[in-house]
Amino acid sequence: ETGVTQTPRHLVMGMTNKKSLKCEQHLGHNAMYWYKQSAKKPLELMFVYSLEERVENNSVPSRFSPECPNSSHLFLHLHTLQPEDSALYLCASSQDKASPHFGPGTRLLVL
Amino acid sequence: QKEVEQNSGPLSVPEGAIASLNCTYSDRGSQSFFWYRQYSGKSPELIMSIYSNGDKEDGRFTAQLNKASQYVSLLIRDSQPSDSATYLCAVRGYSGGSNYKLTFGKGTLLTVNP
Repeated sequence: ETGVTQTPRHLVMGMTNKKSLKCEQHLGHNAMYWYKQSAKKPLELMFVYSLEERVENNSVPSRFSPECPNSSHLFLHLHTLQPEDSALYLCASSQDKASPHFGPGTRLLVL
Repeated sequence: QKEVEQNSGPLSVPEGAIASLNCTYSDRGSQSFFWYRQYSGKSPELIMSIYSNGDKEDGRFTAQLNKASQYVSLLIRDSQPSDSATYLCAVRGYSGGSNYKLTFGKGTLLTVNP
């Protein structure tokens, strides 16, 4: 595997479910990101981890919980989501503050 | 609130023409500027970055930056149907702190007609 991989690629969940999104980067980068992309809206930064330490938390609701166990892996734990959370969730990585390299995304639908 | 503005389009050009995509930003302290291309159903991919005033050329792509006017543009010469995509402008300002945040515009949809 090369680049940034994300699983699952598609996810449908009910509002009471708990699920996790997984991201893995194979680029040797030291920073990882979660972005949210909704229709008709700009890409929104959710979280940034640098060297496994969270350095940005962009006023994201607590129903989204990130975890970065090491510099290659990033998770986004989801619980009690709302229908308006349906979106494309993009993971990205970068070396320091260089431009992020994006993964393919997880398309999430909350029913 | 730091903003990045782009015309949503669609911008339609004939094959072989020059496509001109524009972006304005509100944060005067912005230091780094990026253009990403996003095909339908795919994730964004970086095509150009620019950091200082003037032009930067890479193949058929030219990025132009004017910090005094808070304006950045992307020119695509000899447009091809494969250039049809949404083009996202992204800006990194100097906000202190970690400064990892890129602010994105909503993107401009470009269609190149054969």
